[in-house]
Amino acid sequence: NAGVTQTPKFQVLKTGQSMTLQCAQDMNHNSMYWYRQDPGMGLRLIYYSASEGTTDKGEVPNGYNVSRLNKREFSLRLESAAPSQTSVYFCATSAGYYNSPLHFGNGTRLTVT
Amino acid sequence: EDQVTQSPEALRLQEGESSSLNCSYTVSGLRGLFWYRQDPGKGPEFLFTLYSAGEEKEKERLKATLTKKESFLHITAPKPEDSATYLCAVQTMNYGGSQGNLIFGKGTKLSVKP
Repeated sequence: NAGVTQTPKFQVLKTGQSMTLQCAQDMNHNSMYWYRQDPGMGLRLIYYSASEGTTDKGEVPNGYNVSRLNKREFSLRLESAAPSQTSVYFCATSAGYYNSPLHFGNGTRLTVT
Repeated sequence: EDQVTQSPEALRLQEGESSSLNCSYTVSGLRGLFWYRQDPGKGPEFLFTLYSAGEEKEKERLKATLTKKESFLHITAPKPEDSATYLCAVQTMNYGGSQGNLIFGKGTKLSVKP
């Protein structure tokens, strides 16, 4: 029972390159989320998917796109990476009911040079 | 503006030395307050949810309490394995339809020395 699995764990990109961060869950949760965590700042929501087939913008969506491939998988794409996107990215899931807690993966550490 | 502030930023304790972490919030209606633990290189791990003032929850050496303006995470007789960053997050009445639309504090880094 892996919970929430993120790949890759580490990535280095050059400015302008693109990449997709993958997230898969085996918790049978309806809702999935992408957050970024930067030093000195709290976790910030990039995009979320309340249920399969829907996606919505969070607090900091610019420069990112997402795809909810099926109930298990939610990917985050950087089309043209910028140094400001250097961060640790976390995928999270929740059952989706009122006040259900988030369950996080272990993150992808991305550096853009 | 909705805001969550955690203090102190860092706390060093000796093993067995009890203390408290603070999470103060100013939000337009609280739906719930969450505590998470984050170990280095890992994602946050859920600890507690508190819903209303006066509520308390316990787990091993941790006890979380909630008032109308703040929450405390009390650590009784801590051990080195309690060393981690503790995050507080709130969900407001204006959460925009997503349980994930939380406002996170910046965290308190706790170090417990043997």
